[in-house]
Amino acid sequence: AQTVTQSQPEMSVQEAETVTLSCTYDTSESNYYLFWYKQPPSRQMILVIRQEAYKQQNATENRFSVNFQKAAKSFSLKISDSQLGDTAMYFCAFPFYNQGGKLIFGQGTELSVKP
Amino acid sequence: ETGVTQSPTHLIKTRGQQVTLRCSSQSGHNTVSWYQQALGQGPQFIFQYYREEENGRGNFPPRFSGLQFPNYSSELNVNALELDDSALYLCASRAGTGDEYTQYFGPGTRLTVL
Repeated sequence: AQTVTQSQPEMSVQEAETVTLSCTYDTSESNYYLFWYKQPPSRQMILVIRQEAYKQQNATENRFSVNFQKAAKSFSLKISDSQLGDTAMYFCAFPFYNQGGKLIFGQGTELSVKP
Repeated sequence: ETGVTQSPTHLIKTRGQQVTLRCSSQSGHNTVSWYQQALGQGPQFIFQYYREEENGRGNFPPRFSGLQFPNYSSELNVNALELDDSALYLCASRAGTGDEYTQYFGPGTRLTVL
């Protein structure tokens, strides 16, 4: 069964610094996608970044990048130059392909960016 | 901002009542999924509709039902509301092919059952 685990319930970082959020997963699939979503207090779930498993290169979107370790089944999110607007819950998610691509979410990491 | 919209934003019901939540998918998307998010937890998959047919269901009882319309908008219906149904209900849409199963979420409906 596919599972997604985020082991850091809460994290904090000073504005302008870098923070890394961890995610591990378990799957028997060989090719798949992984996603990071952000959910600010406004509740809207926003796609931050996605990674395709067969690509060697780690995905990058502006200040957000991933460290994807396929063999270790690890998918961490690095936020550089943290901004106050980055304060949110962050969820790692994996699509369950045998069930139409439903997303399985981790438990979430609550990130606070402090001025 | 995604192109996914949901209504209403907030809803208060009493135990035993029925509720209907609505979702309009992003343009070009024919697959809609519904998720329930309890406070402090990650979203849990309820079901998914593809071209007006349910094609996946999570571990939710039959009193959770849905519809998808020809324009790909969708409804979530919950009968015989229970206190534990209080949650944020999220709708997500994606393209049926391509786009690598990327789902785009609406702003959610906050349901409170008293």
